[in-house]
Amino acid sequence: DGGITQSPKYLFRKEGQNVTLSCEQNLNHDAMYWYRQDPGQGLRLIYYSQIVNDFQKGDIAEGYSVSREKKESFPLTVTSAQKNPTAFYLCAGQGMAGELFFGEGSRLTVL
Amino acid sequence: QQQVKQSPQSLIVQKGGISIINCAYENTAFDYFPWYQQFPGKGPALLIAIRPDVSEKKEGRFTISFNKSAKQFSLHIMDSQPGDSATYFCAARGGNYGQNFVFGPGTRLSVLP
Repeated sequence: DGGITQSPKYLFRKEGQNVTLSCEQNLNHDAMYWYRQDPGQGLRLIYYSQIVNDFQKGDIAEGYSVSREKKESFPLTVTSAQKNPTAFYLCAGQGMAGELFFGEGSRLTVL
Repeated sequence: QQQVKQSPQSLIVQKGGISIINCAYENTAFDYFPWYQQFPGKGPALLIAIRPDVSEKKEGRFTISFNKSAKQFSLHIMDSQPGDSATYFCAARGGNYGQNFVFGPGTRLSVLP
């Protein structure tokens, strides 16, 4: 079993705290992505990484940071600078044909 | 500016009926158009995809129709079942987005038993 594994599934954050969402994959994908999902807005790209030790900002990168120190892992940190962080966060890897494989998601709620 | 427009926002269909979801795009450089299915609390899963050199692709009860000149594509679900009740997203890739995807806002489908 495996694929794209996200944790935790649910996370609560107080105002001013940084939180880190984990994304691990065993599919040998080079490219990995982080999306944010809000009701009625589809998926918006936060950050992506095409290769280890390299990553690029997406459409809504402000208030977020990532790292890609190894191929299997692409964690996302939601910083205190993100003014509206409550959302459903999705990590994905890109297959050989270009298709995206998503994890189960992490729901972040700010208290 | 919304690169991919999707309609309707929500759709209710009787069991056995045909569900039709439409998408339109602006960027003629897009070269890959997938549809994703998402159940509540889960990540989206690839349902079916098409490239612009093909006008139609069918996989089981799911069909994509693609109209390149109109810059539109649609998902048809034949013999809709209650288990098809989910949110469906169209997407597009290519052009100045490279390998990245642009997603439509989603359609919530409810199939009544």
